Amino acid sequence: EIVMTQSPATLSVSPGERATLSCRASQSVSSNLAWYQQKPGQAPRLLIYGVSTRATGVPARFSGSGSGTEFTLTISSLQSEDFAAYHCQQYNKWPPAFGQGTKVEIK
Amino acid sequence: QVQLVESGGGVVQPGRSLRLSCAASGFTFNAYGMHWVRQVPGKGLEWVALISYDGSHKSYADSVKGRFAISRDDSKNTLNLHMRSLRPEDTAVYYCAKDWAVTTVSLIVDDWGQGTLVTVSS
Repeated sequence: EIVMTQSPATLSVSPGERATLSCRASQSVSSNLAWYQQKPGQAPRLLIYGVSTRATGVPARFSGSGSGTEFTLTISSLQSEDFAAYHCQQYNKWPPAFGQGTKVEIK
Repeated sequence: QVQLVESGGGVVQPGRSLRLSCAASGFTFNAYGMHWVRQVPGKGLEWVALISYDGSHKSYADSVKGRFAISRDDSKNTLNLHMRSLRPEDTAVYYCAKDWAVTTVSLIVDDWGQGTLVTVSS
């Protein structure tokens, strides 16, 4: 079973600044890596799949990179609506697995 | 637009059973695989089960295998999760979710319901 580890657990960032979130897999997941955004009290929302492909309607300030076991989600200039939790997920092998999440909070 | 509405959550005693349902609309239900994903409030997400678009394939997390059963009724555009022998560690918000791919399973989820809370407690 693949274990996904996200860091940091909490990231404090000022509006307009860049945020960089990390996700590490316990074994290679190739390019089968997705990111989800979750706001308090809401369901997750698909942001990125295939490491770097943005889902429909996702702003260009969100970008993903990486391969194998190391992945990054970058938010280039944080907007107020971006303060939320972010979850990475591997879908290379069953069972699909999520990281424990990174909370992006206002500094 | 896609709508997924879960129902059936509530408080249940350990060892008892519960059935969750998810009413789907806004898309061709029988063309998509469907998932249940759960989340302990304030914690991460955990995959529970998936069913293929035609119902021929079902998979479960080890933590629920043998206790939970996923099913679908395409005539009613409904996804179900039958949960038995419930344990306190099954307490979570359960999300119904739609797979991204048509007539296959990608394991990417592109639409989620709002979730229903299941609390297992005596």
